[in-house]
Amino acid sequence: EAQVTQNPRYLITVTGKKLTVTCSQNMNHEYMSWYRQDPGLGLRQIYYSMNVEVTDKGDVPEGYKVSRKEKRNFPLILESPSPNQTSLYFCASSLGLGVAQYFGPGTRLLVL
Amino acid sequence: AQKVTQAQTEISVVEKEDVTLDCVYETRDTTYYLFWYKQPPSGELVFLIRRNSFDEQNEISGRYSWNFQKSTSSFNFTITASQVVDSAVYFCALSESRMDSSYKLIFGSGTRLLVRP
Repeated sequence: EAQVTQNPRYLITVTGKKLTVTCSQNMNHEYMSWYRQDPGLGLRQIYYSMNVEVTDKGDVPEGYKVSRKEKRNFPLILESPSPNQTSLYFCASSLGLGVAQYFGPGTRLLVL
Repeated sequence: AQKVTQAQTEISVVEKEDVTLDCVYETRDTTYYLFWYKQPPSGELVFLIRRNSFDEQNEISGRYSWNFQKSTSSFNFTITASQVVDSAVYFCALSESRMDSSYKLIFGSGTRLLVRP
């Protein structure tokens, strides 16, 4: 089954404790992205990747890191989480520019 | 800069009513793509439609239809004879085609649709 998976689905952590949210897709897509969803703001792009070892900032990259060492994986790293990073995070992948993105199920993060 | 505006924060209708969700976008590019996504209460994001800037033909898919008008920079979504299962948050999104092949997708803030029995 074609899908985008994210882990964990729910996470509660404390300020400053490094965490990684994994994202994996099995559709051989070149493009992958991370978004955060906050009430009243819709989804905002954090980072995206156009291929292995090629990443670029979205609209809200501060406080986040990503890497793309393999085509199927695109982890999101929070080196020192803060409460303002409490949010719902989505990973997405697509075949290319201008085509539909397939979204993962989301990761709900609470930073205390 | 690109921007997507969904002015309707929440809409409530009674089942079987028709409802239109508005989407207005801003872009300086001549080539761009527009999307609609649905987020039901379960939280996942479901792709509904994609339209490129050169195709202004309206589209109908069952009870769903989309009206793309470049003259007013709008890409509105109509649900005919709404059903309770249509209750969800609907997002409009814009992607520009850039010379450097960058890939940014801008979402509107979403419209929450509640369909009451």
